[in-house]
Amino acid sequence: QQQVKQSPQSLIVQKGGISIINCAYENTAFDYFPWYQQFPGKGPALLIAIRPDVSEKKEGRFTISFNKSAKQFSLHIMDSQPGDSATYFCAASKGSSNTGKLIFGQGTTLQVKP
Amino acid sequence: EAGVAQSPRYKIIEKRQSVAFWCNPISGHATLYWYQQILGQGPKLLIQFQNNGVVDDSQLPKDRFSAERLKGVDSTLKIQPAKLEDSAVYLCASSWVGREHGYTFGSGTRLTVV
Repeated sequence: QQQVKQSPQSLIVQKGGISIINCAYENTAFDYFPWYQQFPGKGPALLIAIRPDVSEKKEGRFTISFNKSAKQFSLHIMDSQPGDSATYFCAASKGSSNTGKLIFGQGTTLQVKP
Repeated sequence: EAGVAQSPRYKIIEKRQSVAFWCNPISGHATLYWYQQILGQGPKLLIQFQNNGVVDDSQLPKDRFSAERLKGVDSTLKIQPAKLEDSAVYLCASSWVGREHGYTFGSGTRLTVV
C-alpha cells in the first residue's frame, strides 16, 4: 500500500520529442504527488507537483496528468532537450505536503539524443 | 539562499567499521530528513526530524543506525557497524513547515562498504 510504481526504467527520446513517464500508487490517502529530477552526483530537485483535486498541471515544458480513479499520474516533457537528460522520480505523500514522508518510485533514466 | 550542505562527499570503509555523515540544512528549515538511495533505486526515508524531535524513524535499522539533530539545526547520521548492503548515497533534505516548496536535498554522501 505504500508503494509507488514507476515505468519505464529507462527512456531514450530524440531532441524535440515528448518524454512520458508513468507512475501508479495504491494508497488512496496520498494527497501530494511531486516529480523530482536528479542529475549525476546531485540530490533530487523538485520539478513539479500536483494535488488530486486537479487533473493536470503545466509548468513550461513539463506537465503532470493525474487520474484519481485509476490511481495513476504521469509526467510529460514536451520538446525534450539534451539538458533534460537525467533521472526522474515520481513520489507520493500524505498529510502536509512538505513535512510528510515522501515515497519515491524506482526512477526513470531519460536520455535525450541531439 | 545557501543549499543543504553535506559532508563528506565520498567515504570508503571496510565492513564492521563505523562511519558518520553530517548535514547542515537551510537556515530556518524546521524539518530535516535523511534518505538512503541505493544505486538504481529511489530514495527511501530513514528518519525525519521536526526541530530536534524525531517524527518518523520507522525504517531506520536501529541496531546499527543512529541519528541526532543538535539544537534543531545540524544533524549527524551514524552507522556502526557497517554492512556491505549499506553501500548507498545518503541524502539529507530539509523543508519549511507550512509552505509548498517541497524538500531541498543536499548532494549526498556516497558510501562504499568493502
